[in-house]
Amino acid sequence: AQSVAQPEDQVNVAEGNPLTVKCTYSVSGNPYLFWYVQYPNRGLQFLLKYITGDNLVKGSYGFEAEFNKSQTSFHLKKPSALVSDSALYFCAVRDSNNAGNMLTFGGGTRLMVKP
Amino acid sequence: EAQVTQNPRYLITVTGKKLTVTCSQNMNHEYMSWYRQDPGLGLRQIYYSMNVEVTDKGDVPEGYKVSRKEKRNFPLILESPSPNQTSLYFCASRLGPTSYEQYFGPGTRLTVT
Repeated sequence: AQSVAQPEDQVNVAEGNPLTVKCTYSVSGNPYLFWYVQYPNRGLQFLLKYITGDNLVKGSYGFEAEFNKSQTSFHLKKPSALVSDSALYFCAVRDSNNAGNMLTFGGGTRLMVKP
Repeated sequence: EAQVTQNPRYLITVTGKKLTVTCSQNMNHEYMSWYRQDPGLGLRQIYYSMNVEVTDKGDVPEGYKVSRKEKRNFPLILESPSPNQTSLYFCASRLGPTSYEQYFGPGTRLTVT
């Protein structure tokens, strides 16, 4: 079975400071990893993905994430947070052995960026 | 505009009254899914479909039905809704087996009293 853990319900950061939103995963095969963002009253928007290759992946809005196989982690990062980054962030994983469409999401982390 | 649409966006109903939430995508995607979102639980997959007439259960299929008679449409059916199905529902689609990015609809907030 595949699973995702986001250990922090909420992350608070001051505008201009770096931010990290944590994610760890568990799969039997190789992981396909994703980050999505949800703004109030909106659906989920794709931020970035890791499939293979370079462990550091860059995505939309200046976000990046680092895949760490030994720690089974895929933390989301941004060097300088903006107030407009405040939203709900979801990490998701799909096992490469999963022939179907099974995407498993973490419980979400609310990011609050204060001016 | 490429998009996934859902209707209705908001629905309040009573226990046992059958309802259908529609989902449509205009991107010619093969794969479509339904999720429910509950606080602290993230999104959990209800059903998914890999093509017309091909559907399979996700993590939480009990109490739900789906059908995929056309490629663009993937309705979610609650034959006898119960209060524990009060949730925020999202439909999503992706191009096919070798594509990775999912596109999500705007969500349907369902309340069952």
